[in-house]
Amino acid sequence: KAGVTQTPRYLIKTRGQQVTLSCSPISGHRSVSWYQQTPGQGLQFLFEYFSETQRNKGNFPGRFSGRQFSNSRSEMNVSTLELGDSALYLCASSLEPYEQYFGPGTRLTVT
Amino acid sequence: AQSVTQLDSQVPVFEEAPVELRCNYSSSVSVYLFWYVQYPNQGLQLLLKYLSGSTLVKGINGFEAEFNKSQTSFHLRKPSVHISDTAEYFCAVMGYGQNFVFGPGTRLSVLP
Repeated sequence: KAGVTQTPRYLIKTRGQQVTLSCSPISGHRSVSWYQQTPGQGLQFLFEYFSETQRNKGNFPGRFSGRQFSNSRSEMNVSTLELGDSALYLCASSLEPYEQYFGPGTRLTVT
Repeated sequence: AQSVTQLDSQVPVFEEAPVELRCNYSSSVSVYLFWYVQYPNQGLQLLLKYLSGSTLVKGINGFEAEFNKSQTSFHLRKPSVHISDTAEYFCAVMGYGQNFVFGPGTRLSVLP
């Protein structure tokens, strides 16, 4: 069974731009969670989607948004990028609420 | 609210020596506990989890962890480490119906 895939793997953007990251969960998994990982703040929860509905949300500004499609694929969008948004963005899918499988991440660099 | 503390940010250890990575948590509700490993430029991989039952949990790659409710700890151990165990290790907790909370991570460096 294929694992969680994230595209693109690397991305360079300029301040003020917006970016969309994509995550394809493991087949059959309906829950997708997003995390931001930085050296300073560690792993921080962004949001979780289940059956196209946002079920949980972390403490991030409204510039960070997401959505989930009927096939469980998910996208997250960051608008008006700031230098501090440079991070590894990880997506995780799960069948059970306590069994998360992570993708390899998208490394976003904002210049 | 939940929080996770990993007392050691870095742990150097010689190959074939035992290692213990410490994790303490706080929560007002019952929690599930996890250890994840992250190799360079990769995502996180689940090592082991405690949901209920036996407090001694065995995971992949020879790792094990013991849940101690009175001390709110979930320390990770391995009796003999290999060079390939060099990675970052994250402890995480999840309360029922809540999201995962990760610790800051412990960088394990296995020296030849």
